[in-house]
Amino acid sequence: AQKITQTQPGMFVQEKEAVTLDCTYDTSDPSYGLFWYKQPSSGEMIFLIYQGSYDQQNATEGRYSLNFQKARKSANLVISASQLGDSAMYFCATHSGGSNYKLTFGKGTLLTVNP
Amino acid sequence: EPEVTQTPSHQVTQMGQEVILRCVPISNHLYFYWYRQILGQKVEFLVSFYNNEISEKSEIFDDQFSVERPDGSNFTLKIRSTKLEDSAMYFCATSLRGGLIEQFFGPGTRLTVL
Repeated sequence: AQKITQTQPGMFVQEKEAVTLDCTYDTSDPSYGLFWYKQPSSGEMIFLIYQGSYDQQNATEGRYSLNFQKARKSANLVISASQLGDSAMYFCATHSGGSNYKLTFGKGTLLTVNP
Repeated sequence: EPEVTQTPSHQVTQMGQEVILRCVPISNHLYFYWYRQILGQKVEFLVSFYNNEISEKSEIFDDQFSVERPDGSNFTLKIRSTKLEDSAMYFCATSLRGGLIEQFFGPGTRLTVL
């Protein structure tokens, strides 16, 4: 079974600064994927970034990058140049080929960007 | 950009009533999922569906839940006899294929059971 741990219930960052949201995972599958989703107050789940366990390079998507450290089983999300619109709940998730690809989510981190 | 749609956005029902939540997947996607999120909690997997059958279901997905894709477009989640604890946001998600790729979520249906 997979497990995701997000130890930061809430984080604050000043606008235009970078912020790192922590995520550690536990899985016994050799092949797996790691995801980050954003959930604004309106409730929808927005896909941000994906990292495959065999990817050699850290994934990047615009201002989002995933700091993947396989040996430490961590997949932290880095948001550069924070914007007020980044204020939201952020969920880390994983799935693996051996589980019919269902996503297992962490409890989330509530990010607040201050002006 | 193609997106997953869900209807209704909000459903209020009386305990014991049946509800059907609808999802229209992205057109060429083959794998479908339902997740739920009780208010303030994490997102939980309910069921995955591929090739017109359930691939996997969680312990939450008991006999009161069912899924189908009756017309090749809509993907539905039926709750036969709703309970108070079924109140949650229900998300449909789809992916192009199996494998380690992203799942795209719909906007969700907020179900309130009174």
